[in-house]
Amino acid sequence: NAGVIQTPRHKVTGKGQEATLWCEPISGHSAVFWYRQTIVQGLEFLTYFRNQAPIDDSGMPKERFSAQMPNQSHSTLKIQSTQPQDSAVYLCASSSRTSSAETLYFGSGTRLTVL
Amino acid sequence: GDSVTQTEGLVTVTEGLPVKLNCTYQTTYLTIAFFWYVQYLNEAPQVLLRSSTDNKRTEHQGFHATLHKSSSSFHLQKSSAQLSDSALYYCALASAGNKLTFGIGTRVLVRP
Repeated sequence: NAGVIQTPRHKVTGKGQEATLWCEPISGHSAVFWYRQTIVQGLEFLTYFRNQAPIDDSGMPKERFSAQMPNQSHSTLKIQSTQPQDSAVYLCASSSRTSSAETLYFGSGTRLTVL
Repeated sequence: GDSVTQTEGLVTVTEGLPVKLNCTYQTTYLTIAFFWYVQYLNEAPQVLLRSSTDNKRTEHQGFHATLHKSSSSFHLQKSSAQLSDSALYYCALASAGNKLTFGIGTRVLVRP
């Protein structure tokens, strides 16, 4: 079991550029979550999928952030027109069930730096 | 919505002494469970403790926490801190759908 895999580990973009972050959940897990980690805000929920369907995107900044899960083996988080305030560590997590508070397993994250 | 409050940003403790991290919460929805996650330097957050039973002590790796719904608290404690306990600790609650709401985190620094 390789755990949750996130790529790239580090990404540097210029202001206004697009950034796409990738996540491969643990095989067999049905739920995928995206969080943003900063020193000031801690771990902020962005969005999650259950069986590839989007369930809750209440944490997503609407204008420039989008997430997809085209198949059960990967999810992407796309940020258009990146801004310096988007700089953070973006964490993906997966869990095997969605209705009984199962443990979330996190990837190591993608550190996004917007210059 | 749900919220989790961790009042200490940094806790510094001497090795061998007790450590306590505070966690209180507010929830307007059905909350299923409470967690403590730990994140070591350059690693992913990982679960340390989980509880869904009121007034029941939960223990793991020398740490313990008791959920007290009467005071909306789930404090984390350890009787003897070790150097290897230096890390970032997050308190979290899980609502329906398994969405976790995290606190801001408490960094623990254990000094020799």
